[in-house]
Amino acid sequence: EIVLTQSPATLSLSPGERATLSCRASQSVSSFLAWYQQKPGQAPRLLIYDASNRATGIPARFSGSGSGTDFTLTISSLEPEDFAVYYCQLRNNWPQTFGQGTKVEIK
Amino acid sequence: QVQLQESGPGLVKPSETLSLTCAVSGFSLSNGYYWGWIRQPPGMGLEWIGSVYHTGSTYYNPSLNSRVTISVDTSKNQFSLNLSSVTAADTAVYYCARLSPHYDSSGYADYWGQGTLVTVSS
Repeated sequence: EIVLTQSPATLSLSPGERATLSCRASQSVSSFLAWYQQKPGQAPRLLIYDASNRATGIPARFSGSGSGTDFTLTISSLEPEDFAVYYCQLRNNWPQTFGQGTKVEIK
Repeated sequence: QVQLQESGPGLVKPSETLSLTCAVSGFSLSNGYYWGWIRQPPGMGLEWIGSVYHTGSTYYNPSLNSRVTISVDTSKNQFSLNLSSVTAADTAVYYCARLSPHYDSSGYADYWGQGTLVTVSS
């Protein structure tokens, strides 16, 4: 089973700052990786799929990069509504797994 | 607009079977795509349970494989989850979701239900 490790566990930033989140896979997953955002009491929302493609309706400040084992989600300038928990997830592999999440909190 | 809605008991006794249904609107299950169940214990991360195709083909997380059954009813445009022999460790918010791309049983969840909390307790 491929394990996804996210870092850091918590990121404390101010609105307007740049956020950089990492997801590392225990073996190569090519580009089959997604990022989700989850706010309290809500279902996760797909942000990025296949490592670098924004899902429908996702603002341009969200971008994804990477391939193989190392992936990054970047939020170029944090808006108040971006403070949430972010998960990575792989596909094209059973069982597909999620990372443990990174919480982006207001500093 | 694709919409999913979970339904089922919010409280299940230990050793019994947890049963949930996901009603889909705005998209016909007969048109394809895999449909999945994902759960999240309180305060914890996400866990994939399994997925089903409109033909009835299924894939399950091996960690739950012996206890899980996922089925589809295209006439009612819904799919269901049964999880047997539940314990307190199965207490979680259960989400149903559509998976993308359409051909991938392990795809990304592009549409989600709102989730339903199921508590396992006597």
